[in-house]
Amino acid sequence: SQQGEEDPQALSIQEGENATMNCSYKTSINNLQWYRQNSGRGLVHLILIRSNEREKHSGRLRVTLDTSKKSSSLLITASRAADTASYFCAPLNQGAQKLVFGQGTRLTINP
Amino acid sequence: NAGVTQTPKFQVLKTGQSMTLQCAQDMNHEYMSWYRQDPGMGLRLIHYSVGAGITDQGEVPNGYNVSRSTTEDFPLRLLSAAPSQTSVYFCASIAASRGEQYFGPGTRLTVT
Repeated sequence: SQQGEEDPQALSIQEGENATMNCSYKTSINNLQWYRQNSGRGLVHLILIRSNEREKHSGRLRVTLDTSKKSSSLLITASRAADTASYFCAPLNQGAQKLVFGQGTRLTINP
Repeated sequence: NAGVTQTPKFQVLKTGQSMTLQCAQDMNHEYMSWYRQDPGMGLRLIHYSVGAGITDQGEVPNGYNVSRSTTEDFPLRLLSAAPSQTSVYFCASIAASRGEQYFGPGTRLTVT
């Protein structure tokens, strides 16, 4: 299994703005997943994008995947205070049995 | 479905004590994992299991044992607690057909 690397490590924006965070990985994947973790809580699965997909939407979330660049981005539109959390990407190799997480992007939404 | 459950939610141990962190899932997932998360850090994989009777080591297995006698349960045992094991522990299970990983709420462990 491989680990995704999130960038930036920390991001602070005003409420209502859009937040974009990026993920890079090293080897071919079967799918890539994004998770959110609120302070002191467990991880919550946000969205899964498969290797044959280029873009996926879920509510205010938009995920893109560029397998040629081995990168993904998560866009949160019209941010809210409740979006303040750490966000992790997790690339899953074909046949992999576990996800390995990086340090995540700490997103702070300022009122 | 209750999803992934963990007990206890909080625990304080003295150095040298042993204990078992419980994890159970009711989604019939084959794959289960244990992670630890230290303050300001990402998750680190301790042990994982691809099915009943099968376990393997992750990145940081030392000081921990696991067993998987049933599909539902994946307990994590601390044999002789050390202050370095102070952390938040998360259990997770994976829907193998989709690869989505479901996490428990975590156990906050302090070793003094």
